[in-house]
Amino acid sequence: DTGVSQDPRHKITKRGQNVTFRCDPISEHNRLYWYRQTLGQGPEFLTYFQNEAQLEKSRLLSDRFSAERPKGSFSTLEIQRTEQGDSAMYLCASSPGQGDSNQPQHFGDGTRLSIL
Amino acid sequence: QKEVEQNSGPLSVPEGAIASLNCTYSDRGSQSFFWYRQYSGKSPELIMSIYSNGDKEDGRFTAQLNKASQYVSLLIRDSQPSDSATYLCAVPREYGNKLVFGAGTILRVKS
Repeated sequence: DTGVSQDPRHKITKRGQNVTFRCDPISEHNRLYWYRQTLGQGPEFLTYFQNEAQLEKSRLLSDRFSAERPKGSFSTLEIQRTEQGDSAMYLCASSPGQGDSNQPQHFGDGTRLSIL
Repeated sequence: QKEVEQNSGPLSVPEGAIASLNCTYSDRGSQSFFWYRQYSGKSPELIMSIYSNGDKEDGRFTAQLNKASQYVSLLIRDSQPSDSATYLCAVPREYGNKLVFGAGTILRVKS
């Protein structure tokens, strides 16, 4: 069990560019979540997948954001036409199984995005 | 009212003391509660989960849950400087278990 892996760890880009982040969950974890965290705040939910199906998206996730989880394994989060307000830590988490709410989520190290 | 509320701190305690961190939540139907520790610049790390009223102990950590009062707390005994971090309270919401986090409490343990 190697834990949740995220790549890259840091991304610096100019406003207006597109960026893509990758998350590899703990193997055999069916659920994968994306969160965003800004300084002084707790993580905020963006979207989650049950296997390959994207089941919920937050209102925080504008049309510039898209996430995929092909084949129910790794996931990608893409931000198009980045804006200053997109600067944040993007966190991926995974949890096993389906159904009940008793299974904790385990987080990756995050991708810190800085928009110049 | 926010769904999950925490005192932002900082909470300063001397080394060896008990640190008490508090969290209130708004949804009476909540069933699970998690405490995460987050060091500066790092990601949240799960340290405690609690599902039933009462206390749950794990080493120096004790989580306390009172569903009637919609209150969950985390006690850290024999606090160490390495415990200095932000502690996040998280509650799963709705089907899919997306976590709703408080803003976190900054804990500083002074040696």
